[in-house]
Amino acid sequence: DQQVKQNSPSLSVQEGRISILNCDYTNSMFDYFLWYKKYPAEGPTFLISISSIKDKNEDGRFTVFLNKSAKHLSLHIVPSQPGDSAVYFCAANTGTASKLTFGTGTRLQVTL
Amino acid sequence: DVKVTQSSRYLVKRTGEKVFLECVQDMDHENMFWYRQDPGLGLRLIYFSYDVKMKEKGDIPEGYSVSREKKERFSLILESASTNQTSMYLCASSRLLAADFNTDTQYFGPGTRLTVL
Repeated sequence: DQQVKQNSPSLSVQEGRISILNCDYTNSMFDYFLWYKKYPAEGPTFLISISSIKDKNEDGRFTVFLNKSAKHLSLHIVPSQPGDSAVYFCAANTGTASKLTFGTGTRLQVTL
Repeated sequence: DVKVTQSSRYLVKRTGEKVFLECVQDMDHENMFWYRQDPGLGLRLIYFSYDVKMKEKGDIPEGYSVSREKKERFSLILESASTNQTSMYLCASSRLLAADFNTDTQYFGPGTRLTVL
């Protein structure tokens, strides 16, 4: 039972354009959401997060949007850079435990 | 700067062998986690620990056990390795926040790619 889903396994975007990565969840108890980035042969690194009391959080080129009614979140990267090429995982927790539930990941390729 | 280290980057073992994967963190974090990453399945939690000598099952604990004798060290044990345990294993740590769980970021090690022949 995949409670956090990333339906696009891969995405290719031209440098300078916007990258939009999507994530859907089914557990209505989730109230905190995170995005991690993972390069090959490295562990995931934290990118940005959002609490369920917000609908948007921005950090430089990265913005996360949360639509609670649709149980959907998205990560926008503007402008996209070649160094953004990586696998992106969304994750969620219920706020009552440190345990995170991860999605399956989306491989982003930013082309020149 | 948080550092999570894992004992091996690559490991090759034979079916039936006992395998130990070690993880050490240097930030005095209370929580430690073991995940495996497989294509199309993302990161799945195997076991986690909130404190020394404390452990809890994650989503896929079958075939694994763990040990946490010291706060900074969390070991994953495969009692009898099988080919379906070939995977990338990732260790992570985080603080235990009593008042505000929602800012609990996990920090990951570089991973161990285990191949079981």
